[in-house]
Amino acid sequence: VQLEQSGPEEKKPGASVKISCTTSGYTFIGYYIYWLRLAPGQGLEWIGRIDSKSGDTDSAPEFQGRVTLTRSMSMGVAYMELSSLRPDDAAVYYCARPGGPIWTRISYLEFWGRGTQVSVSS
Amino acid sequence: SFDLTQPPSVSVAPGQTARIPCGGNNIGSELVHWYQHKPGQAPVLVVYNNDVRPSGIPERFSGSKSGGTATLIISRVEPGDEGDYYCQAWDSSFGGGTMLTVL
Repeated sequence: VQLEQSGPEEKKPGASVKISCTTSGYTFIGYYIYWLRLAPGQGLEWIGRIDSKSGDTDSAPEFQGRVTLTRSMSMGVAYMELSSLRPDDAAVYYCARPGGPIWTRISYLEFWGRGTQVSVSS
Repeated sequence: SFDLTQPPSVSVAPGQTARIPCGGNNIGSELVHWYQHKPGQAPVLVVYNNDVRPSGIPERFSGSKSGGTATLIISRVEPGDEGDYYCQAWDSSFGGGTMLTVL
């Protein structure tokens, strides 16, 4: 199982960023893809998750209205777009996959991407 | 703020045992998972379902839970164990992280 994320991004305040997470080594459909971030001096923050089959999403209240999670079933790729960027959105963004398919209700994140650095500065 | 409470830091001498607690409301009824994070690397799952160690994780890493507190236990601590450790419960609740320093 591998999750490969897109490269670093430099954005200005107010802009949007879209990060991809290309999966391989397993059947994409049937698993959640989670998105989290880690900012300097901050803890691991859960952004949301997407059901790879239905496209249904859940997101943390603090990101609702600003985050859009999508996927391409045919390509096995998940995307996270964050809009109205602020300087405090600067962080490393990770995609991750739980240790089992959705029906198992497994929540631990066994596989992770290497992270995408997002910088936000005017 | 974070749903789960962890101390900001824990320090331990090499060869000793480190214990990192994680507390939260109703945590007793939930499965708790632990991640290790080192700078520049992706987080690594070190314990899941309270006390199960993934393959490839040294036996020195273990987990326990009693009442409203889960604990990550690292025995015979080595310098390479330095990093940040995060607990997780439910689907979306994470602790604020604990920085482990090996003296």
